Amino acid sequence: GAVVSQHPSWVICKSGTSVKIECRSLDFQATTMFWYRQFPKQSLMLMATSNEGSKATYEQGVEKDKFLINHASLTLSTLTVTSAHPEDSSFYICSARGRGQHSPLHFGNGTRLTVT
Amino acid sequence: AQSVTQPDIHITVSEGASLELRCNYSYGATPYLFWYVQSPGQGLQLLLKYFSGDTLVQGIKGFEAEFKRSQSSFNLRKPSVHWSDAAEYFCAVERRNNDMRFGAGTRLTVKP
Repeated sequence: GAVVSQHPSWVICKSGTSVKIECRSLDFQATTMFWYRQFPKQSLMLMATSNEGSKATYEQGVEKDKFLINHASLTLSTLTVTSAHPEDSSFYICSARGRGQHSPLHFGNGTRLTVT
Repeated sequence: AQSVTQPDIHITVSEGASLELRCNYSYGATPYLFWYVQSPGQGLQLLLKYFSGDTLVQGIKGFEAEFKRSQSSFNLRKPSVHWSDAAEYFCAVERRNNDMRFGAGTRLTVKP
């Protein structure tokens, strides 16, 4: 079945540094990818939607200059957390959808980011 | 505005007992509805989904859900819970622009 690979599964970084998270669709072309953020014991909150070859659409309240999203190919989207701060520590999950109106949404296993 | 409500934050059931997790949605059109399960520190696993047709849908791991338009509900059920079912359960609705919105989640604890 379709698989979405997210890397790394966990990362620890220092305040002020940047961290890149990759989301790859392994056996299908992901025309749209979504990035979610999940705080402990809370639900997933949509951060942004990215379509291949175009700029990402960010949800209200999400800083586009802080959370850089690149969807340069049909199999890869990246989320870069720039100048990370401890409050950015969270679980980040990507999801991807292929072509077709009813194509299913596949989720990555998430990335646990801890900023010290 | 489109929304998904899971009224129960935490539910505890005994192993072998039946389970029902509630989900209500608010959406202008016929929604696409999903139930996902998440173990601690893990990603999401799709249990089942409803697009159209038969309102009772069967999923993996013995779960089922029933879509009731009149009640705007999509409750998840399982006749006999196993200890391995302890996890966080999320109801979700897929919106017209194809992104997915999640409920707050229900944490299931299974007593031996």
